[in-house]
Amino acid sequence: GAGVSQSPRYKVAKRGQDVALRCDPISGHVSLFWYQQALGQGPEFLTYFQNEAQLDKSGLPSDRFFAERPEGSVSTLKIQRTQQEDSAVYLCASSSLGLAGGTVEQYFGPGTRLTVT
Amino acid sequence: AQSVSQHNHHVILSEAASLELGCNYSYGGTVNLFWYVQYPGQHLQLLLKYFSGDPLVKGIKGFEAEFIKSKFSFNLRKPSVQWSDTAEYFCAVIVYNQGGKLIFGQGTELSVKP
Repeated sequence: GAGVSQSPRYKVAKRGQDVALRCDPISGHVSLFWYQQALGQGPEFLTYFQNEAQLDKSGLPSDRFFAERPEGSVSTLKIQRTQQEDSAVYLCASSSLGLAGGTVEQYFGPGTRLTVT
Repeated sequence: AQSVSQHNHHVILSEAASLELGCNYSYGGTVNLFWYVQYPGQHLQLLLKYFSGDPLVKGIKGFEAEFIKSKFSFNLRKPSVQWSDTAEYFCAVIVYNQGGKLIFGQGTELSVKP
């Protein structure tokens, strides 16, 4: 595939359920980012991987949020015991190089819209 | 904490009108600056970027932006908008050597009337 793909595109969860959101980055891209976009807001950083290493998880809002990228390609964002405030669009982005300076473009996927009822 | 402010939440223009969307950021060190666009039903995509050099940068579809370091601003402009420019526009920064995460503004929704 040519771009970043995410699945599912839409997810409805009952409060308290666990969810897993998947991101397939562009093949060969070293860096992978997760962002959370609440309604009417800009995306907010959650976490960053360089290959399989999670280098920054400072944006994860609570210990209910967990992300992994075990083989340095596909990544999964897991949310345990979902709450209503977790309702948002979760965006994944990838880029081709490690980003010490942030000089390469991040390519975004279509997002997963999570609704917690 | 670093932040990005976009002054207009919703802008409505007629076709052929000129556009300027404001963006200010709060970090005083070295930053890389971006404008992303999200057309209805589509992914976020890069419109233009500034890393260094000429502070006037040109992007796709006739958009340009000017980096004014003294004002911490990176305003987006287009001389004549089209109906197809209807979209949401996000300004974003990357703070140098802080891992490459984008810090976004809250977005400006642009509606262009045909």
